[in-house]
Amino acid sequence: DIVLTQTPLSSPVTLGQPASISCRSSQSLVHSDGNTYLSWLHQRPGQPPRLLIYKLSSRFSGVPARVSGSGAGTEFTLKISRVEAEDVGIYYCMQGTQFPHTFGQGTKLEIK
Amino acid sequence: QVQLQQWGAGLLKPSETLSLTCDVYGGSFRGYYWNWIRQPPGKGLEWIGAVNHRGDTSYNPSLRRRITMSLDTSKRQFSLKLSSVTAADTAVYYCARELTFWGQGTLVTVSS
Repeated sequence: DIVLTQTPLSSPVTLGQPASISCRSSQSLVHSDGNTYLSWLHQRPGQPPRLLIYKLSSRFSGVPARVSGSGAGTEFTLKISRVEAEDVGIYYCMQGTQFPHTFGQGTKLEIK
Repeated sequence: QVQLQQWGAGLLKPSETLSLTCDVYGGSFRGYYWNWIRQPPGKGLEWIGAVNHRGDTSYNPSLRRRITMSLDTSKRQFSLKLSSVTAADTAVYYCARELTFWGQGTLVTVSS
């Protein structure tokens, strides 16, 4: 199975400041079709996860432009350019390149 | 707009079979994988498996011996069965169309 390792596990951020979360894969996530099936999700307490980014860098419908995904091969990053109060919660990366699909362990974003 | 509404028993005894169903409102079944994902209390996300409109399935190897997934397009629903449950299977179970649309989650508790 592909192992995804997220850093940091906890990220205190000041409102209006940027935030960055890394996700490292145990093997390349480039699929044979050329796509990289790395997604990012955000979960608030008591709610299902919400998709933010799919296929490495495509923003899902309704996701603000201040949220972006980047990376290549085995190293990936989620960036929030200016953190707002609604951004608190846990962020997960997930790979869909290879079965079984796997998640990172999660990064908790909180406001300082 | 696609909506997923899941239902099933929330309290099981050890060795019983977990059975959950997800009703799908709107959208097509073709071209998508329909997933089950779970989250133990206070922990991260675990992908259980997926089924497509043809009935092709992919299961997490860690659960494969105990899982059955099915999809019925005429009833517009897909289902999960997990046999021989133990306390380790206690979790919130989510159904999801790929990562884009999610059910509300069902807390399944296994306790004698």
